[in-house]
Amino acid sequence: EPEVTQTPSHQVTQMGQEVILRCVPISNHLYFYWYRQILGQKVEFLVSFYNNEISEKSEIFDDQFSVERPDGSNFTLKIRSTKLEDSAMYFCASSEVVGLNTGELFFGEGSRLTVL
Amino acid sequence: AQKVTQAQTEISVVEKEDVTLDCVYETRDTTYYLFWYKQPPSGELVFLIRRNSFDEQNEISGRYSWNFQKSTSSFNFTITASQVVDSAVYFCALSEANFGNEKLTFGTGTRLTIIP
Repeated sequence: EPEVTQTPSHQVTQMGQEVILRCVPISNHLYFYWYRQILGQKVEFLVSFYNNEISEKSEIFDDQFSVERPDGSNFTLKIRSTKLEDSAMYFCASSEVVGLNTGELFFGEGSRLTVL
Repeated sequence: AQKVTQAQTEISVVEKEDVTLDCVYETRDTTYYLFWYKQPPSGELVFLIRRNSFDEQNEISGRYSWNFQKSTSSFNFTITASQVVDSAVYFCALSEANFGNEKLTFGTGTRLTIIP
């Protein structure tokens, strides 16, 4: 069964450092997403990406965040200067477009970011 | 604005008992999708079900069943004959039907503990 893969599974970084989280979405999917879950809290939408541009973003997704699809397979989330409050599990997801319907959303296993 | 409420923060039941997890949602959209995800201690998000707002039929999958009631804006999840492996946090989520853009609004989750 196709799956969304994320690397790294866990990253520890110092406050102020740049972090890049990587994702390989399912190959025939066209929509890509990042969600975030602070420990013990609910999962929150960060950004969706379609046709090489941001489709929608939440208020969490400020100028410190950026997304990119550098090649035909990877989808990355960059945090320019990490803060303590960026510590969370980051989930990548992808979905296909099926006519006028939304496709099922497939999540990766998550990348846990710890900012010290 | 969309909202998902899972009023039950934590539930504990003895193995083999049935348990129902409640989910109430708010949306102004006439077309939307409802989801349930399971998050085991390992942290990944496991897809359980996706339901279109036009399909009010209840669904059964093995020991799992879902009751969608549009009149009360509820999408409850029942586990029959619970097992220890069902212990996890369960999230209900809602997305508007926006041509492939699965921006999910999650509830705060219900932590289910099955006592052996």
